[in-house]
Amino acid sequence: GIQVEQSPPDLILQEGANSTLRCNFSDSVNNLQWFHQNPWGQLINLFYIPSGTKQNGRLSATTVATERYSLLYISSSQTTDSGVYFCAVGGGGADGLTFGKGTHLIIQP
Amino acid sequence: SAVISQKPSRDICQRGTSLTIQCQVDSQVTMMFWYRQQPGQSLTLIATANQGSEATYESGFVIDKFPISRPNLTFSTLTVSNMSPEDSSIYLCSVVLKQWTEAFFGQGTRLTVV
Repeated sequence: GIQVEQSPPDLILQEGANSTLRCNFSDSVNNLQWFHQNPWGQLINLFYIPSGTKQNGRLSATTVATERYSLLYISSSQTTDSGVYFCAVGGGGADGLTFGKGTHLIIQP
Repeated sequence: SAVISQKPSRDICQRGTSLTIQCQVDSQVTMMFWYRQQPGQSLTLIATANQGSEATYESGFVIDKFPISRPNLTFSTLTVSNMSPEDSSIYLCSVVLKQWTEAFFGQGTRLTVV
């Protein structure tokens, strides 16, 4: 099956810093999503981005499907950004998602 | 988007028993899925819940251990059978409203087996 690799696995930053999270995948995909899992375990949709670039406030994401990677940018980090960020991919249609192992982000005040 | 309600939100169960988790969606959805997240790990797809037919299980998951029902387009259940401490995980229901669109997740059921 498809492999999803995320980097870095852990990231500790000061409030106000910027960060880039990367997701590499081993095969072509029709579905790519970024999620934030908060400390209570809730998965929050950040982006549905099988290709192209999207922005939502301080967050933006870019997926280069031909090169099989996606990037999540977080600018001006806040402590509430802490948690685990997952990249998940799928073939689309009836397929479920394959998740990467996540990036554990800690934003210190 | 979709509002997904999972019950129970958490439970502590004795080994050897079974627990049924419910997933209710506020609209009819084509696709429903069940995932497991073991402590400190990522999410793994258990199965696709098919309306009116048997679920489609991923490698490593079997119907006898994780029976799934989906009687209609808004509801599904996952049963964790004959539980052992290794089954302690968060179990999440997920839906896709239309093909080629984003997936949404319920808040999860945090299961501890003692």
